[in-house]
Amino acid sequence: QQQVKQSPQSLIVQKGGIPIINCAYENTAFDYFPWYQQFPGKGPALLIAIRPDVSEKKEGRFTISFNKSAKQFSLHIMDSQPGDSATYFCAASNTGGTSYGKLTFGQGTILTVHP
Amino acid sequence: DTEVTQTPKHLVMGMTNKKSLKCEQHMGHRAMYWYKQKAKKPPELMFVYSYEKLSINESVPSRFSPECPNSSLLNLHLHALQPEDSALYLCASSLGQGIGETQYFGPGTRLLVL
Repeated sequence: QQQVKQSPQSLIVQKGGIPIINCAYENTAFDYFPWYQQFPGKGPALLIAIRPDVSEKKEGRFTISFNKSAKQFSLHIMDSQPGDSATYFCAASNTGGTSYGKLTFGQGTILTVHP
Repeated sequence: DTEVTQTPKHLVMGMTNKKSLKCEQHMGHRAMYWYKQKAKKPPELMFVYSYEKLSINESVPSRFSPECPNSSLLNLHLHALQPEDSALYLCASSLGQGIGETQYFGPGTRLLVL
């Protein structure tokens, strides 16, 4: 019940395309859903995050869509650029309870944006 | 300044060595984390310190020993490691455990155990 399932494992798009990465969770106690971007040899960096009281959040070219009833959330990258090529991890956490602060990560999506 | 620094960047050690990884942040964060990340895998939580006290230990083998000397520093002491412990070790911090959930990650220490 603690898992976060992420798909696809890898994704290749052309510059200007709109890659979409999907995540699904089971634990209804999760109340914080961040997305992290990781470049090779670097630590993950927070990209954007959402809480279940909103259905969509946009920051620059990055948008999270959240479907509470389906227990799914997704990341859309508008006008993708070669510099967006990286590994993307979705995550979830329960900000209350005994395991608060613990992020449960999806398995990651390797995104490649061709020029 | 949203920076978490880690030293060293790379470390090679034998199975009988003792070494330490260091992590530092000056953002006033009161929660600090150690993660282990294998290639093409997500980070795996190892330890969480909240207000300089160990809050979560994810059943990590005793050859890994964390230490939080003060609110800005986090160490991971390594002893008698195994080759399968080779990985990227990431440190992260957040405002508080469960509060302001944004975790800021450092660049990591790439560890190779021979």
